Amino acid sequence: DIVMTQSPDSLAVSLGERATINCKSSQSVLYSFTNKNYLAWYQQRPGQPPKLLIYWASTRESGVPGRFSGSGSGTDFTLTISSLQAEDVAVYYCQQYFSTPLTFGQGTKLEIK
Amino acid sequence: QLQLQESGPGLVKPSETLSLTCIVSGGSTSSTSYYWGWIRQAPGKGLEWIGTFHYTGSTFYNPSLESRVTISADTSKSQFSLKLSSVTAADTAVYYCARRAVGAGAGWFDPWGQGTQVTVSS
Repeated sequence: DIVMTQSPDSLAVSLGERATINCKSSQSVLYSFTNKNYLAWYQQRPGQPPKLLIYWASTRESGVPGRFSGSGSGTDFTLTISSLQAEDVAVYYCQQYFSTPLTFGQGTKLEIK
Repeated sequence: QLQLQESGPGLVKPSETLSLTCIVSGGSTSSTSYYWGWIRQAPGKGLEWIGTFHYTGSTFYNPSLESRVTISADTSKSQFSLKLSSVTAADTAVYYCARRAVGAGAGWFDPWGQGTQVTVSS
């Protein structure tokens, strides 16, 4: 199984400031034939189901605000929120779809400082 | 707009079978373009993929649950189901159904249902 490890477990950032969440996979999720990273990011607000933010490690889902961006390749990935808004308070998860079983990171809780 | 809604008993006794249904509106489980799946979230924990199925009959299960899981569809009703046998307290969780894209290696889940809480207790 590919183990996904996120850091930090929790994060407090001031409104308008940058938030950075990291995700590391136990093996590469970069498929050489397609040159794509098989990684997605989700946002889960309190009491809500997860919402897809980013797929292919850096492609923003339609309707997701431009302040959200994904980067990285191979085993190390980052989700960045460029200017934190109050509605961004949530738990964020990464997920690999390179191989089954599909696996998720343990989550990073983002709060307002 | 595609919507998914889980339904089923909120309380299941230990050793019994958990049965949930996901009703799909605004779309069809007989579409060849998508997988349909189940994911769960234990209290205070992260997300665990249970399994997915495709209209053609292909199913994929998490090996950690495979011996106890069955996912199947009723395409005439545009719904699919989850059965998890021999449940224990460790199966207590919020269960989500979701759609997964097919093609070119796509494997993310979107959208998700609202989730349904299942508690295993006597």
